Amino acid sequence: GEDVEQSLFLSVREGDSSVINCTYTDSSSTYLYWYKQEPGAGLQLLTYIFSNMDMKQDQRLTVLLNKKDKHLSLRIADTQTGDSAIYFCAEEGRSYIPTFGRGTSLIVHP
Amino acid sequence: EAQVTQNPRYLITVTGKKLTVTCSQNMNHEYMSWYRQDPGLGLRQIYYSMNVEVTDKGDVPEGYKVSRKEKRNFPLILESPSPNQTSLYFCASRPDGATEQYFGPGTRLTVT
Repeated sequence: GEDVEQSLFLSVREGDSSVINCTYTDSSSTYLYWYKQEPGAGLQLLTYIFSNMDMKQDQRLTVLLNKKDKHLSLRIADTQTGDSAIYFCAEEGRSYIPTFGRGTSLIVHP
Repeated sequence: EAQVTQNPRYLITVTGKKLTVTCSQNMNHEYMSWYRQDPGLGLRQIYYSMNVEVTDKGDVPEGYKVSRKEKRNFPLILESPSPNQTSLYFCASRPDGATEQYFGPGTRLTVT
């Protein structure tokens, strides 16, 4: 079945950029998502990208999609302590059922 | 306020004692789903529903049941809970054709 892989941890210094990477296997993916989960809370959609786009920018967030390599990344510029959370990559194809990665814990230290 | 609510938020129970976790959304969304979140495994979909009276299995449906008698409610039923169902459960909803899912706050279930 479809699979979504992402590294489990990322540690950055406050003010630096964070880059969280994700790879997926479903070549029919239509939408690719980044969700954020803060401690004790549910997931919240951060941003998404259509499969026919290469890049999407939204304030401090930049999403890059390499469809050929099935690679998705999320860059957070000027990372703040409030950005500490678990970030989930997810893809959705024609099945209308999203597949989530295992989540990347972003730790921002002063 | 538009939201997805789940009850209870925390539950400790014993093996074999039937339980129901409720999920309700006030946004008139067609699509609803249940996930479980386990350390190192991320989110896995249990069941989903495209509309009233339409439910389908997700990736890990064994040991769970759902029903969708009304648009706003999508309860998750564990007929005979077992310790391997100890997990954090999330309900989510979204309008038909939309991209964003709205997640509930989660229900932490412990089965002893």
